[in-house]
Amino acid sequence: QLQLQESGPGLVKPSETLSLTCTVSGGSISSSIYYWGWIRQHPGKGLEWIGNIYYSGRTYYNPSLKSRVTISVDTSKNQFSLKLTSVTAADTAVYYCARGGSSFTWGQGSLVTVSS
Amino acid sequence: DIQMTQSPSTLSASVGDRVTITCRASQSISNWLAWYQQKPGKAPKLLIYKASSLESGVPSRFSGSGSGTEFTLTISSLQPDDFATYYCQQYNSHLYTFGQGTKLEIK
Repeated sequence: QLQLQESGPGLVKPSETLSLTCTVSGGSISSSIYYWGWIRQHPGKGLEWIGNIYYSGRTYYNPSLKSRVTISVDTSKNQFSLKLTSVTAADTAVYYCARGGSSFTWGQGSLVTVSS
Repeated sequence: DIQMTQSPSTLSASVGDRVTITCRASQSISNWLAWYQQKPGKAPKLLIYKASSLESGVPSRFSGSGSGTEFTLTISSLQPDDFATYYCQQYNSHLYTFGQGTKLEIK
């Protein structure tokens, strides 16, 4: 059964880079029929799609975050990653990773707090 | 960007009620729509994908319909476990977007 698990620091200082990794188990990240994405949810708020990366390596990012976001894949580790630069308190959120295709599988989420 | 508008924002209902939540897209998304249920402190749980396909393991009291720009999620007979927040999500364009959520409360 496919499982996704986010990992990374729970606390990041303002102006620094938020880095999260999603480890995929029960399936290959190299499959051409799926893609991999990140979503976030600010405390008490709705859901915001951050971006996707496809088998080809092509990425699509939310325009509101595009200048600060990078999503990449490490096929050797069956992982994909999120980097968000120059963070502020407004980036405090639960970050989810997900596999997409015709349907979706999500990780359990990782709370990242931006604070000095 | 494709905007997704859910209604109502809040819905009060009783166990056994039939409830419907609507999601409207700002442009046609064919049937590339998913519905999620989220409970406090938990990740969203996929209920419906491709507008009307029931995710494995999801009770049959949940159903989805629609295509183009208007979609509905129906719960045929509310159970105590169904009180939660529900989100729609379009995945027609590469920039996916969510509805603002519908909080389903106990009347």
